[in-house]
Amino acid sequence: DTAVSQTPKYLVTQMGNDKSIKCEQNLGHDTMYWYKQDSKKFLKIMFSYNNKELIINETVPNRFSPKSPDKAHLNLHINSLELGDSAVYFCASSQSLRTQYFGPGTRLLVL
Amino acid sequence: QKEVEQDPGPLSVPEGAIVSLNCTYSNSAFQYFMWYRQYSRKGPELLMYTYSSGNKEDGRFTAQVDKSSKYISLFIRDSQPSDSATYLCAMNVGNEKLTFGTGTRLTIIP
Repeated sequence: DTAVSQTPKYLVTQMGNDKSIKCEQNLGHDTMYWYKQDSKKFLKIMFSYNNKELIINETVPNRFSPKSPDKAHLNLHINSLELGDSAVYFCASSQSLRTQYFGPGTRLLVL
Repeated sequence: QKEVEQDPGPLSVPEGAIVSLNCTYSNSAFQYFMWYRQYSRKGPELLMYTYSSGNKEDGRFTAQVDKSSKYISLFIRDSQPSDSATYLCAMNVGNEKLTFGTGTRLTIIP
């Protein structure tokens, strides 16, 4: 059973489109995250939710909107996609401050 | 200047060698230090976790933290080709926000 899963795995889209990435965790964790990893492998936190409540909101454009319908799911909606949004987006979950479990990533390419 | 600095490599060493990976940081409030391993086209996975200064050993892996120098290290003994991956250091002040280094790409040559 996959602990943290993301869909889709790959996303190729045109500039200006709106897209969503879904994340689900079956670990029973209370906290979920979205990270962005750029082409140089730099991994930066975007958002974190604890029990459906937003607790971390880094300096991310308003075009990015996370939604947590329940504590097992955290989705990321991106409006008006730009070339610079091309990256790998990782979802993660944790129960303690120490161990974050990452999903396999969603590779987004904006053309 | 980034809060966490890490040499991106790439680093290539022969099988069986000892590998040393390092990070420096600027925020003295960091208390929890981790090393993640990321294989190509996969998500990062936690390798080692340490709290404050000191050493921690787990099999072939040893993590060291020197808070006075703001310097952390990961040593891999008897390196194997399966250790070839990108290694990311990460740290936090005791909350949910992890700050990552840029990662070091390591290749172990058989």
